[in-house]
Amino acid sequence: DAKTTQPTSMDCAEGRAANLPCNHSTISGNEYVYWYRQIHSQGPQYIIHGLKNNETNEMASLIITEDRKSSTLILPHATLRDTAVYYCIAINTNAGKSTFGDGTTLTVKP
Amino acid sequence: DAGITQSPRHKVTETGTPVTLRCHQTENHRYMYWYRQDPGHGLRLIHYSYGVKDTDKGEVSDGYSVSRSKTEDFLLTLESATSSQTSVYFCAISGRVGSYEQYFGPGTRLTVT
Repeated sequence: DAKTTQPTSMDCAEGRAANLPCNHSTISGNEYVYWYRQIHSQGPQYIIHGLKNNETNEMASLIITEDRKSSTLILPHATLRDTAVYYCIAINTNAGKSTFGDGTTLTVKP
Repeated sequence: DAGITQSPRHKVTETGTPVTLRCHQTENHRYMYWYRQDPGHGLRLIHYSYGVKDTDKGEVSDGYSVSRSKTEDFLLTLESATSSQTSVYFCAISGRVGSYEQYFGPGTRLTVT
């Protein structure tokens, strides 16, 4: 699986969009990009995933660059409850396994 | 929330003792995973299962064994616990072939003294 690189931490004002970047420059054609978040000490929560097209669901939007070497998770209107560690992973789902990196700690401030 | 529970939720044990953690699901999902998470770090995969009696190693499998005798239960055993295995252990499940959309349990906090 491709290695991903994320900033260690980011801040965002409440009500503004939070844009979380992820670099996966060695991603291969059959690897998907998945995003999870972990609030405090709870188990991680699935957010969204994509292969090459942009994706949107009720939680977030995922923008993947045309060359697939990076992506951005967008929380359109961040709330205090979005404060969490956000993990980006690139995985060949047929391989059945992956490991989460250290993620980005997003702090939403009032 | 996905029907996934872990037991015990907290455990303190001594070095050298065997420990078994249990993950139980009510979703009939095929895939199950065990991760560990050390303070300030992400999750690392220990073992995973892709069906009853079918398991494979993850990134940090040394010192751990697993068993899955039925769909709903995935057991993680530390044969002889060491202080380096002090961690929070998360179980996850996934139902669809070709999908990495996982649902996580609440975690087990294990302290080895």
